[in-house]
Amino acid sequence: DAGVIQSPRHEVTEMGQEVTLRCKPISGHNSLFWYRQTMMRGLELLIYFNNNVPIDDSGMPEDRFSAKMPNASFSTLKIQPSEPRDSAVYFCASTPSRGSFSTDTQYFGPGTRLTVL
Amino acid sequence: AQSVTQLDSQVPVFEEAPVELRCNYSSSVSVYLFWYVQYPNQGLQLLLKYLSGSTLVESINGFEAEFNKSQTSFHLRKPSVHISDTAEYFCAVINSGTYKYIFGTGTRLKVLA
Repeated sequence: DAGVIQSPRHEVTEMGQEVTLRCKPISGHNSLFWYRQTMMRGLELLIYFNNNVPIDDSGMPEDRFSAKMPNASFSTLKIQPSEPRDSAVYFCASTPSRGSFSTDTQYFGPGTRLTVL
Repeated sequence: AQSVTQLDSQVPVFEEAPVELRCNYSSSVSVYLFWYVQYPNQGLQLLLKYLSGSTLVESINGFEAEFNKSQTSFHLRKPSVHISDTAEYFCAVINSGTYKYIFGTGTRLKVLA
């Protein structure tokens, strides 16, 4: 398996522009997580999907952020409009888990490094 | 609320020396504990985990961690480090009954020649 795939790997944009980050989880995995990593705040969970349904989006910073999972093999994280403080590395991770409780290993993608000027 | 504390943000150590990366957690319920490693420009990878049973767990590349319930700790150790161990190490906890990982702030291990 190719592992979790994220695109793009790097994104540089200007303040106010829309940014879309993409993730393809490992085939057969049922849970998907979006994280944001910054020096100041470390690794933060933004949103969690189980069986394509958003279960917990309490970590989404504000309404400018939205995430979708239209099918089991694809998810997007959108920021509109983007701001300089959104600059971070965004990771997608997936696990096989079908339920809300799981100690499954999380498999992380390589991340998208977002810079908002 | 549960939390994870990694007191050391950076740990420099010479090659072939031993190392300990500290992790303490706070939780009022049973926990499951993990160490993840992040190499430069990569995502996190599982290094080892404690779910139940023996409190000493080992990884395939020589790291070990011991769950100490009385001290609420899960320190990571390696008796002899290599240059290739240079990376950032994250301790994480899941509470019984939840799905959500809580990650520590990470410890950057730099192995010097």
